[in-house]
Amino acid sequence: GESVGLHLPTLSVQEGDNSIINCAYSNSASDYFIWYKQESGKGPQFIIDIRSNMDKRQGQRVTVLLNKTVKHLSLQIAATQPGDSAVYFCAERDSGGGADGLTFGKGTHLIIQP
Amino acid sequence: KAGVTQTPRYLIKTRGQQVTLSCSPISGHRSVSWYQQTPGQGLQFLFEYFSETQRNKGNFPGRFSGRQFSNSRSEMNVSTLELGDSALYLCASSHGRDEQFFGPGTRLTVL
Repeated sequence: GESVGLHLPTLSVQEGDNSIINCAYSNSASDYFIWYKQESGKGPQFIIDIRSNMDKRQGQRVTVLLNKTVKHLSLQIAATQPGDSAVYFCAERDSGGGADGLTFGKGTHLIIQP
Repeated sequence: KAGVTQTPRYLIKTRGQQVTLSCSPISGHRSVSWYQQTPGQGLQFLFEYFSETQRNKGNFPGRFSGRQFSNSRSEMNVSTLELGDSALYLCASSHGRDEQFFGPGTRLTVL
């Protein structure tokens, strides 16, 4: 079936470096994408979203890039801080059909090295 | 503005029992979605309610059900619990159809 996946289960970066977390999706009808951050013992926290009519969107220290040609989504975190340690999930929605709930990837655990 | 709240936070049940979980959405949000999170399957969509009506449903057996009240609060019920139902159950609310805000979840353990 359709799914959203992440390339790496774990990503380790040095504090202060930029982090890039990747996500591949297979549903070409997906038109809305979200990145969530989940810390231990907490629910997912919204980071940033992007619609399929855009290819880039920036927030505070975060940028999401969408490449619809290869069905690839990435989250860039600038100047990574210890508080960025968490599991990051990409999610997509196909508003044209299906269950219409969010379909989540497996998640990438971001580890910040001091 | 208060966030999404879920009760209880932790629950232990035995196989065959049933359980009811509660979710209070952010004030003004009329859409409530439920998700199951497990280490093996990740986050999976259960169902979504809007204005007391189930709008969408994921691929889960009929043992999983839910409802929404006129104040937008929602409950989900799992009957005849199985060991595999052990999971973190997350509720999310939204104002429109996009950005969803999640609660802390209810950790259900089935023995």
